[in-house]
Amino acid sequence: TQLLEQSPQFLSIQEGENLTVYCNSSSVFSSLQWYRQEPGEGPVLLVTVVTGGEVKKLKRLTFQFGDARKDSSLHITAAQPGDTGLYLCAGGQEYGNKLVFGAGTILRVKS
Amino acid sequence: NAGVTQTPKFQVLKTGQSMTLQCAQDMNHNSMYWYRQDPGMGLRLIYYSASEGTTDKGEVPNGYNVSRLNKREFSLRLESAAPSQTSVYFCASSLAWVSYEQYFGPGTRLTVT
Repeated sequence: TQLLEQSPQFLSIQEGENLTVYCNSSSVFSSLQWYRQEPGEGPVLLVTVVTGGEVKKLKRLTFQFGDARKDSSLHITAAQPGDTGLYLCAGGQEYGNKLVFGAGTILRVKS
Repeated sequence: NAGVTQTPKFQVLKTGQSMTLQCAQDMNHNSMYWYRQDPGMGLRLIYYSASEGTTDKGEVPNGYNVSRLNKREFSLRLESAAPSQTSVYFCASSLAWVSYEQYFGPGTRLTVT
């Protein structure tokens, strides 16, 4: 069974601080996706990375896929209260669209 | 354009009761999925339908059945609900089986007493 471990499980920071969330596995994935989920809603895709070593930026969010395609990180610069939510990473398998999800990181940004 | 819709939004069942969760998408997607989300465990795939007319088991299929009614609709049935099935259920769809992006519905919060 492929597993994805996310850390930290919970993060509470002040507005303006930087943070990094990690997603690690002993398995290789063909792709790695990051989702953000707000209370009472379904996850919304933020980004997909598919190449080892790939870095993608989405405004203040930077996503990186590890060289060996076993891990990923999400870095947020100058966090804002609107960034509050549950961040989920999900690994895609070699063929098809069956995703393996991490347990998530709950982020709370205080103003 | 509503995306992925799910009904009901909330449901309370007694142990042994049955119910069907409904899901529909209006994006002309070929693939659809059912997940459950439990605290500390992320989302786990229950069943999926790679294309109309096909369904397959995911990671946690026991106690559930599905029907891909047509291209738009994918339902999840609990024949005899158990307290272990208390969870939030999400339906998702993607353009194709090899598409990376999955679009999720708002979820159904189910409590089994």
